[in-house]
Amino acid sequence: DAMVIQNPRYQVTQFGKPVTLSCSQTLNHNVMYWYQQKSSQAPKLLFHYYDKDFNNEADTPDNFQSRRPNTSFCFLDIRSPGLGDAAMYLCATSRAGTGYGYTFGSGTRLTVV
Amino acid sequence: AQSVTQPDIHITVSEGASLELRCNYSYGATPYLFWYVQSPGQGLQLLLKYFSGDTLVQGIKGFEAEFKRSQSSFNLRKPSVHWSDAAEYFCAVESSGTYKYIFGTGTRLKVLA
Repeated sequence: DAMVIQNPRYQVTQFGKPVTLSCSQTLNHNVMYWYQQKSSQAPKLLFHYYDKDFNNEADTPDNFQSRRPNTSFCFLDIRSPGLGDAAMYLCATSRAGTGYGYTFGSGTRLTVV
Repeated sequence: AQSVTQPDIHITVSEGASLELRCNYSYGATPYLFWYVQSPGQGLQLLLKYFSGDTLVQGIKGFEAEFKRSQSSFNLRKPSVHWSDAAEYFCAVESSGTYKYIFGTGTRLKVLA
């Protein structure tokens, strides 16, 4: 089945130690998104790629970076995780054009110790 | 500015009872509207979407939603709730031409046996 896969499901990292979360898709969607979701809150968009074009949200901290080496893969890099970065990180994909809706991965739960 | 409001943070219903989750939006043009469901520790799953045509939209898992332009609402309904429907529900509007969604803060549904 075509899907969006996030690895790992759970990630524990040390304060200040760089960490990378990954997302892959078999849907061949050209738009990929990274959301941060803290407990009992709505998902918050960090950035998205339209094909290779990177679009950063204005309030996304510089500590968060992303890479998209090809259509299928997208990575979220947190350069120096702080305790406040503990959250669920959701990857989503969409076809270009309006109204298609997102397909979400199952998320990666990040814990910072 | 575009926005989505879900007035109810928590809703509790008995199994077999009917359900209505409220969503109000603020948007200048005809909106593209979505409802997503999130089970604990999981990503978001698309329940249904509206972008034109019939204002009563059918979705998966027996859910439906009605778009009412005069009330700027897109409420989600289900005639008979099952225990497995316990989850968090998010309403979202697509920000025109940006491929980005604005999410409401969510409604957490609890189902009593």
